[in-house]
Amino acid sequence: GENVEQHPSTLSVQEGDSAVIKCTYSDSASNYFPWYKQELGKRPQLIIDIRSNVGEKKDQRIAVTLNKTAKHFSLHITETQPEDSAVYFCAASWGGGFKTIFGAGTRLFVKA
Amino acid sequence: GAVVSQHPSWVICKSGTSVKIECRSLDFQATTMFWYRQFPKQSLMLMATSNEGSKATYEQGVEKDKFLINHASLTLSTLTVTSAHPEDSSFYICSVGTSGRAGTDTQYFGPGTRLTVL
Repeated sequence: GENVEQHPSTLSVQEGDSAVIKCTYSDSASNYFPWYKQELGKRPQLIIDIRSNVGEKKDQRIAVTLNKTAKHFSLHITETQPEDSAVYFCAASWGGGFKTIFGAGTRLFVKA
Repeated sequence: GAVVSQHPSWVICKSGTSVKIECRSLDFQATTMFWYRQFPKQSLMLMATSNEGSKATYEQGVEKDKFLINHASLTLSTLTVTSAHPEDSSFYICSVGTSGRAGTDTQYFGPGTRLTVL
C-alpha cells in the first residue's frame, strides 16, 4: 500500500527564516498531495495542495513543489512567523474520493 | 470547503462500555467519509473508509467488530467503539471527501473527538 515518509520530524527556525519540509511517497498512482497544519488539540487544516500535473504551486509565503519522477514533494514556508509554529503533515492520495495517507508529521518551532 | 462537525467533542467512559461518535457533513452530500485515529504526538492513522449505503472498508489491523461504522445518509457517519478499553483512548477525527465538487479533491476534517477510557 501507499507509504508516505516525512522529514524532519522536528524543525526549529528563527523568525523570518525559511522552513522546508520534505516528503516521499511510494504509490506512483497517487495524484493529489495536500499539506495540513495542525495546532494542538485542533483539527488539521489544509494549507496548500498540488496535483500531479503541476510541478509547483505558491500561495503567499507558502509553496509546494512536486517531482513525480522521484516521488518527492516539499513544503516551503518563507518569512516564518511565530504563528506558523504547529505540526505540519504531508499526505498523498488518488483524489478526494479515495483514502489519504499521511506522513508522520513535522513539528515546526518558529522562535521570535 | 465542506463544513464538518463531530459530536461529542470529548467523552470519558468506563472500560467495557460502548461509545458512539457522530460525524456530520453540514453543507455537502458526502458519499465518502473517512475515520482517523490520532495518538498524542503522532500522525493521523486511517481506520476506515465509510461509504454511504454500503459497508465500510477497514484498514489492515483495524477490528471491524470493535469499531462499528454506519454511514446511513449522505450527511451522517457514525463510529461506535464497542467494549472500549484504556488503549482505545485517542483523538478520533472524521473527514469528508469532496471528490466530485468542481475543482477540489481535498478532505475536510471534523474537529475531532477525544475519547478517554478509564
